[in-house]
Amino acid sequence: EVQLVESGGGLVQPGGSLRLSCAVSGFTVSDNHMSWVRQAPGKGLEWVSVIYDNGNKYYVDSVKGRFTISRDNSKNTLYLQMNNLRREDTAVYHCIGYGHNSDPWGQGTLVTVSS
Amino acid sequence: QAVVNQEPSLTVSPGGTVTLTCGSSIGAVTDAHNPYWFQQKPGQAPRTLIHDTTNKLSWTPSRFSGSLLGGKAALTLSGAQPEDEAEYFCVLRFSGTYWVFGGGTKLTVL
Repeated sequence: EVQLVESGGGLVQPGGSLRLSCAVSGFTVSDNHMSWVRQAPGKGLEWVSVIYDNGNKYYVDSVKGRFTISRDNSKNTLYLQMNNLRREDTAVYHCIGYGHNSDPWGQGTLVTVSS
Repeated sequence: QAVVNQEPSLTVSPGGTVTLTCGSSIGAVTDAHNPYWFQQKPGQAPRTLIHDTTNKLSWTPSRFSGSLLGGKAALTLSGAQPEDEAEYFCVLRFSGTYWVFGGGTKLTVL
């Protein structure tokens, strides 16, 4: 059974940092494309970053140079290191797999950037 | 980066059929864009309905189907049920690298 559990969110001041984690069970992270997706309050979904099975990484323009996606194969866990956070990064962050491993979604982790 | 377009809102009668579309600002959508469709109900996490244009997840009701139509990705709902009232999002992959979500379609069953 596929299960994704996101954690690491919280309240942080502008300019601060957070590291989000996504613990995966039911499939192997390193064999899949894994993405981070966010949803600001009352808004739609926004793709943030992907790490492909070959290790290639891509980001939405607004987070390039600030966010870093990574994975720990031994822990079957996906990460998102977020630095120099801005108010507009406030959102619920979800990780998702690929194909038939893209469901269900986890509940996400809330990141609030505010002073 | 590209822009992905969806109808902001659509209405369908119970038992009726409706098609939601997902277009790209930089050309026709093809299978190479790996279209996905998601359903989100208020207060809930999204769920994936369709991956890679036509492929359903194990939970996807049979009344939903995905396709390419007129240069866009399409999600067709045949025999709408009240529980299908939700927001639907698509996402496309560009150049095999980055992904872009559409703005979502609010579907009303009325």
